[in-house]
Amino acid sequence: DTAVSQTPKYLVTQMGNDKSIKCEQNLGHDTMYWYKQDSKKFLKIMFSYNNKELIINETVPNRFSPKSPDKAHLNLHINSLELGDSAVYFCASSPRGVPYNEQFFGPGTRLTVL
Amino acid sequence: TQLLEQSPQFLSIQEGENLTVYCNSSSVFSSLQWYRQEPGEGPVLLVTVVTGGEVKKLKRLTFQFGDARKDSSLHITAAQPGDTGLYLCAGARGGYNKLIFGAGTRLAVHP
Repeated sequence: DTAVSQTPKYLVTQMGNDKSIKCEQNLGHDTMYWYKQDSKKFLKIMFSYNNKELIINETVPNRFSPKSPDKAHLNLHINSLELGDSAVYFCASSPRGVPYNEQFFGPGTRLTVL
Repeated sequence: TQLLEQSPQFLSIQEGENLTVYCNSSSVFSSLQWYRQEPGEGPVLLVTVVTGGEVKKLKRLTFQFGDARKDSSLHITAAQPGDTGLYLCAGARGGYNKLIFGAGTRLAVHP
């Protein structure tokens, strides 16, 4: 099936650990994103890559580091996890040439930091 | 302070009722999108509106973009339990058309 996929779906870890979330899209889109959705369901952009190049980098702690090995993949690595990092993280992609930046979201990764 | 304010935050209605949810801002957007999100899933795009005053219909859903491109509304006619979900509006602005999301309206439609 064509889609945006993320792994893992759930991630439970201790404070101070380092973890990664992986994202892949087979829609042929050039642009990929990471969003964070907090407990109040507020969805906020973190990063965006266009064809492996970082184009949006919001005010995010530098413990968060995105990596795009190719335009179909965008991974998120988080160092020294903190309680406040608990949230649902969504990967999304958007086709280039569509001027309205419509997003295709993955199913989300629920991160719980204990 | 959020750039996009959605109202109401929560809405609980009976099947068959009509409803309208609102998305307001003091900023101008190049386009505005509406998404629906169900529990445990990612948001799914419903519609994009671009032109001030534009109206789009998707079956029982009617979307309107304000004349000044600062606000939008979503009207649902004869709501059904399958309409239950979190409705998010998102405005695009800036060089890369970064999306700014509202906090959402949580809709529950009871049989």
